This record gives sequence, C-alpha cells and structure tokens, in this order.
Amino acid sequence: DAGITQSPRYKITETGRQVTLMCHQTWSHSYMFWYRQDLGHGLRLIYYSAAADITDKGEVPDGYVVSRSKTENFPLTLESATRSQTSVYFCASSESGWEQFFGPGTRLTVL
Amino acid sequence: AQSVTQPDIHITVSEGASLELRCNYSYGATPYLFWYVQSPGQGLQLLLKYFSGDTLVQGIKGFEAEFKRSQSSFNLRKPSVHWSDAAEYFCAVGTMTTDSWGKFQFGAGTQVVVTP
Repeated sequence: DAGITQSPRYKITETGRQVTLMCHQTWSHSYMFWYRQDLGHGLRLIYYSAAADITDKGEVPDGYVVSRSKTENFPLTLESATRSQTSVYFCASSESGWEQFFGPGTRLTVL
Repeated sequence: AQSVTQPDIHITVSEGASLELRCNYSYGATPYLFWYVQSPGQGLQLLLKYFSGDTLVQGIKGFEAEFKRSQSSFNLRKPSVHWSDAAEYFCAVGTMTTDSWGKFQFGAGTQVVVTP
C-alpha cells in the first residue's frame, strides 16, 4: 500500500529496555521526521532526516537514536526506555520538508 | 524566542455555526504557515498552507485561513461546521535557515467539540 506506515501501533515495555519504532514510506520522500505528542505540548520534533545517511537533532533528541540507511525507512530507537518517554510517536515524510504527511502513530507505554 | 501560540485550548461550537481558530507566531521573518487536523486516534492531516502571495488561502474540507503580517496571525475559519469537524487542530510554522532545512514548530493545539 502506498503511504506512510508505522509499527508497532501499540507497545508496552519496561524501564531500561531498548525499543525500536519503525517507519516506512513509499513515496521516496527526501525528508523524514519523528515527533512525540504529549498533552499540552502539541508535537515536538525528536529527529529528522533530509536524505539517506543524513540525520539531525530536533527539539527533544535526548534518549533517542535514529538511522536512515534507506530512503524509505527511518527507525527510532529508545536505547534505555524511561517512563518520561511514554508518549504517542508520529513519523512523517515530506519531499520539500514543509508539507509533511503523517503516519498513524505508535502509542508507547513505559512501565 | 520563536514561538507558535494557539490561545484557545478548547472550543465548543454548534453544528452549522461558524468556526474560527486563532494562531499567532513570533518569528523574525515571515515564516511558512500550516494548519493540520487530527481526528481521534489518527495521524495529522494537512488542511492548508501559506508560503507567499495571496494572504487568504483555501484548504480542504471547506476551511480557509488568512495570513495577517501586521498581527503575526494565521487564523483558520470555516463558515458552517459539520459534526465531522470535531477534532484537534494544530497550527505549525516553518522557517528556513541559510544552510539547512530550518525549523518547524507546532502549536499546542485547539480541541474542537461540535454540538448538535
């Protein structure tokens, strides 16, 4: 299917565990983004990528790692999950960087 | 500091009535401006965008927005609201830098409730 997908849609993990959230887009967009959404904060940018093998920090990058070896994939890894990382995570893609298309989100709970 | 403000956290509107959602920004230059809508349990969908030119822009689902440089505002409007417009609405602002993509920031969102 064309578009942008995220997996898993729901994840429960424990403090200290490593977790990887996947994002895949079929448009061959240059830019990809990871956001977290928390009540009262809107969406905050974690990391973004302007092209394969090019990534940069956003507003709240601490505790997260990204990679982009292929244009279509942009995984987000929480190396050692903390309760403060309980959130809804959205991946987005864009050809220009401005008009962004969002995935359905991953709801992550860290116990 | 650069910021995007949506002053209304929550708005209740009757079906068929008009709707206006406010967005104010604080940036040095005229930024790129966007409105997104998020239905419950869904990702965000782009409603409309402003880059330059005509300050009144039309979007999908019957929405429009007006850029007012003097007020640093980009308010979203709809003349007649439908029950399906109940959702959360986010204003977003983007700015370029000389050597990279730049900065993209969302407001905190406005929750719209539509009553019969």
